[in-house]
Amino acid sequence: NAGVTQTPKFQVLKTGQSMTLQCAQDMNHEYMSWYRQDPGMGLRLIHYSVGAGITDQGEVPNGYNVSRSTTEDFPLRLLSAAPSQTSVYFCASSRREVKRGSPRYTFGSGTRLTVV
Amino acid sequence: GENVGLHLPTLSVQEGDNSIINCAYSNSASDYFIWYKQESGKGPQFIIDIRSNMDKRQGQRVTVLLNKTVKHLSLQIAATQPGDSAVYFCAENKGAAGNKLTFGGGTRVLVKP
Repeated sequence: NAGVTQTPKFQVLKTGQSMTLQCAQDMNHEYMSWYRQDPGMGLRLIHYSVGAGITDQGEVPNGYNVSRSTTEDFPLRLLSAAPSQTSVYFCASSRREVKRGSPRYTFGSGTRLTVV
Repeated sequence: GENVGLHLPTLSVQEGDNSIINCAYSNSASDYFIWYKQESGKGPQFIIDIRSNMDKRQGQRVTVLLNKTVKHLSLQIAATQPGDSAVYFCAENKGAAGNKLTFGGGTRVLVKP
């Protein structure tokens, strides 16, 4: 299993450009989420999905769109990049049902995005 | 608002000593409190969790303590090793809310040889 794969690892955009951050998981997890991590801060939830065809907003959804057409893929789209979106973006997935304990999220290695 | 936060941004520890990382939370309705470890250039990795109706849980070299009276969570690492150098985050989970996690701000642990 590859786990959670994010592409690209690094990206530089100009203000106003659009792009899609890719996320794929091969663990058949129902839940998928996108987080952003700013320097010296924790992760903040952007959007999440509880299954194919279902998405919802997190804490900081403005400026981002998501879709979940398959269980495996959960792309994050920046419609018109702004310098405030410079951050490291993490995708994560987990099973819906956990017999014991909290949902065990598996995180990707991140995409470092710079908007100039 | 509801949040999970940390007291100390950086913790320097001598190799072999025990580490204690603290976290304060304000939301008493969480189902689980969780600790994640994030090494440089990598995504967070699950360490241990504790259900809200427990006050202590032990794992391999790690212990999590939950004090609901003062809304305080801590992670104890025994015999800290160089590989423990990382940023540690506490997080809370409310299972009914789509398994969403709310993260605190992180504590950097530096292990000195």
